[in-house]
Amino acid sequence: QKEVEQDPGPLSVPEGAIVSLNCTYSNSAFQYFMWYRQYSRKGPELLMYTYSSGNKEDGRFTAQVDKSSKYISLFIRDSQPSDSATYLCAMSAGYYGGSQGNLIFGKGTKLSVKP
Amino acid sequence: NAGVTQTPKFQVLKTGQSMTLQCAQDMNHNSMYWYRQDPGMGLRLIYYSASEGTTDKGEVPNGYNVSRLNKREFSLRLESAAPSQTSVYFCASSGGGGALNTQYFGPGTRLTVL
Repeated sequence: QKEVEQDPGPLSVPEGAIVSLNCTYSNSAFQYFMWYRQYSRKGPELLMYTYSSGNKEDGRFTAQVDKSSKYISLFIRDSQPSDSATYLCAMSAGYYGGSQGNLIFGKGTKLSVKP
Repeated sequence: NAGVTQTPKFQVLKTGQSMTLQCAQDMNHNSMYWYRQDPGMGLRLIYYSASEGTTDKGEVPNGYNVSRLNKREFSLRLESAAPSQTSVYFCASSGGGGALNTQYFGPGTRLTVL
């Protein structure tokens, strides 16, 4: 079993839809959870950062962490064509540099929002 | 403030040739990383440097060497390129203001080995 599992999609939705992206993980030591967005032929950019369980909201984006189920989600409300990208989940056990602080990435879900 | 910069953006090599990928960051970050990204494989860590003067192997280090030249610069060297090293290479850094484990990525280098 991979440490982090993420459905690669592709996921295609109409403009204005609510999008749900998910990752599951196996390492109970993970405490820090991130979502990165990667546009085609660009580097990943940080979208959301959460610590431990709970929800965090930033504009149209909500990140949710359920440590008891080892499951994280990213919700996008009122999706726009500009949200079309690959979304990567990432997580780590530690906060500082070094092996514990290294990020483990999911393989990414490719999202397409159609006008 | 350029963030993380990588050179070159594109490169084509023949099998057996060598090259060095350059990475620099201007965010005063302590930690730097090299990843490769292949279709269906996601981002895989090649090497990382937790702080200036240290380097460690990641998930896929074979065929690569790294040098942490100073706090700003972290280079990746392919001594004898192989077609299996055709990939997109990303450099990242972390450890400045804000969450210390948040990584910031460069634009990538697209490498083709013939």
